[in-house]
Amino acid sequence: GQNIDQPTEMTATEGAIVQINCTYQTSGFNGLFWYQQHAGEAPTFLSYNVLDGLEEKGRFSSFLSRSKGYSYLLLKELQMKDSASYLCAVLDSNYQLIWGAGTKLIIKP
Amino acid sequence: GAVVSQHPSWVICKSGTSVKIECRSLDFQATTMFWYRQFPKQSLMLMATSNEGSKATYEQGVEKDKFLINHASLTLSTLTVTSAHPEDSSFYICSASQVQGAAYEQYFGPGTRLTVT
Repeated sequence: GQNIDQPTEMTATEGAIVQINCTYQTSGFNGLFWYQQHAGEAPTFLSYNVLDGLEEKGRFSSFLSRSKGYSYLLLKELQMKDSASYLCAVLDSNYQLIWGAGTKLIIKP
Repeated sequence: GAVVSQHPSWVICKSGTSVKIECRSLDFQATTMFWYRQFPKQSLMLMATSNEGSKATYEQGVEKDKFLINHASLTLSTLTVTSAHPEDSSFYICSASQVQGAAYEQYFGPGTRLTVT
């Protein structure tokens, strides 16, 4: 079966750095997405990785290792508004998006 | 650009009634629209994929006679929850793509919170 694992919840301090991990086992791979979802709102796109390595975009960076079936989202200089759920999703061989359950990130002052 | 709207943003209905949710692409033509359901503290679950002018493709376990999807134009898709029951209470989210079947390029609507009493 297809499976995406990410921690259920993480807590971090304002101004700090946090890394949210995602491991996946899917039938084929055509890229990995990270989305941010605030409570009661729809997901918003953060990043898309299809090649190995680190993609940096401002305070957010996303890393992919296809051989390990592993990705992480790195958030720097955390702000209170970063409190949200972060969803990892993989595009499989049929170009279907397989969604992880999401990681709820709590930022404390 | 690439804005998707949903209406209503929230709705409360009585058990046994039907509810229609609209999803519109405001500034692009949505060849494909996706309908998701999300229960509290859970991830998005794809319900169905609809291409303009075609019948929707439903995911396993989703009752097509209960969740009626119509994608009659390139800017509008509707989801009708028929004979709603309290267990249908959920957050329903649509997304739209300009490229047919392109799950990799989805623009999400703001979601509709359905509560069935």
